[in-house]
Amino acid sequence: QVQLVQSGAEVKEPGASVKVSCKASGYPFTSYFIHWVRLGPGQGLEWMGVINPGAGGTNYPQKFQGRITLTKDTSTSTVYMDLRSLTSEDTALYYCAAGRGGWYVHFDYWGQGTLVTVSS
Amino acid sequence: EIVLTQSPGTLSLSPGERATLSCRASQSVSSSYLAWYQQKPGQAPRLLIFGASSRATGIPDRFSGSGSGTDFTLTISRLEPEDFAVYYCQQYGSPPYTFGQGTKLEIK
Repeated sequence: QVQLVQSGAEVKEPGASVKVSCKASGYPFTSYFIHWVRLGPGQGLEWMGVINPGAGGTNYPQKFQGRITLTKDTSTSTVYMDLRSLTSEDTALYYCAAGRGGWYVHFDYWGQGTLVTVSS
Repeated sequence: EIVLTQSPGTLSLSPGERATLSCRASQSVSSSYLAWYQQKPGQAPRLLIFGASSRATGIPDRFSGSGSGTDFTLTISRLEPEDFAVYYCQQYGSPPYTFGQGTKLEIK
C-alpha cells in the first residue's frame, strides 16, 4: 500500500534552515506528485509547494519563493523540503502529501507529519 | 490567489444529526477541482471528497459533496461519534492550491 514516511522532529534557531524528508513506498515513485503542507499552531492548512518526481519540475506559492526548495532522490524514492531563514512563524507541523499523475490533483495520501520548532 | 471561506467556524451537533458545512471561493474553481479533508487531533488529514462530489476510497456514503463555481457543501447525513473533527476544503485547480480555514465539528 502507498506509504509516505517523514523524518523526525526538528528544533532550530531563528535564521537557520531545516531539511525534512519524505520517503515514498508502495507505488512507482514517479506516479505521484509530492506536495508539502503545514499546519501552524491555531491555524489552518497552508500549501507550500509541489514537485514532479519524474521530471523534477516544481511550483511554489509566492509567499515561499526564494526560501523553499523541493528536491528528489529517485534512487531512494525520497523527496526533500528545504526551508531557509526560519523564524518563529515557521513553527508548525509539516506534512508531505501525494497526488496522482499531474499538477491539478487532490491529495490521496499523507505522511505522518514532522514537527519543526523554531526557538532561540 | 483563490481565497476559500468556510462556515461556520464551529458547528455543535449531536450524534445522529445532519451536518452541513459550507465553502465559498473568491472566484470560480476550475472544473470543480474542490476537495474536502477531515483532520483529527494528532493525525494527518484524510481525503473525503474530490472533484466536488466524488467520495474517496473507503469513505462511508453518509459523506457527500456538492456544488460548483464558487459555492460548495459537505454534508454528513447522520453523524457518528468518529465524525467529530476539523474539516477543510481545498481548491487544486489554480496554484497556489489554497485551503479554507477549517470548520470544527464538535459534540453538542
